[in-house]
Amino acid sequence: GENVEQHPSTLSVQEGDSAVIKCTYSDSASNYFPWYKQELGKRPQLIIDIRSNVGEKKDQRIAVTLNKTAKHFSLHITETQPEDSAVYFCAASKGNTGKLIFGQGTTLQVKP
Amino acid sequence: EAQVTQNPRYLITVTGKKLTVTCSQNMNHEYMSWYRQDPGLGLRQIYYSMNVEVTDKGDVPEGYKVSRKEKRNFPLILESPSPNQTSLYFCASSSGGGIISGYTFGSGTRLTVV
Repeated sequence: GENVEQHPSTLSVQEGDSAVIKCTYSDSASNYFPWYKQELGKRPQLIIDIRSNVGEKKDQRIAVTLNKTAKHFSLHITETQPEDSAVYFCAASKGNTGKLIFGQGTTLQVKP
Repeated sequence: EAQVTQNPRYLITVTGKKLTVTCSQNMNHEYMSWYRQDPGLGLRQIYYSMNVEVTDKGDVPEGYKVSRKEKRNFPLILESPSPNQTSLYFCASSSGGGIISGYTFGSGTRLTVV
């Protein structure tokens, strides 16, 4: 079945450094790739998404890149801040079915 | 305020006692879904619905039922809960228009089955 692999499972960076989280997906028909941030004890919240007709999208300090040929996409956070510390999830979906598959999550720690 | 509301927030129950977790959204979203979250396993989709009376199984549907009789409501039913269904459950909804957008999640229901 469709699968999304996410790496690394944990990531620790110094404040101000960049963080990169990578995901690969198995279904080449996938065409929608959101990223979620989940703070401790809270619900996942959508922070950025990308569709298969674009290769990169940026929103202030966060950006997502997509390589359809290699079937992988990445989240880039620049100038990290302690409030960026959270669990980040990637996900993939195809068409309009409502089926959205998540990666296993990456725990990001930003040290002051 | 646009939101996904699920109840209860916390529930402790005994093995075999039927329970329902309710979910309601006020955004007129077509898509709704249930996920369970377990440590190290991320978010796994239980069931999803594209619209009223249209539901489909996700990756972990065993032991669960859902119904979508109204657009705003999408209850999750555990007919005979077992301890391996102890988990954090999230309901979510999304607008459609031909292609899904990101899901908006409810606050979660922490279920313990003893």
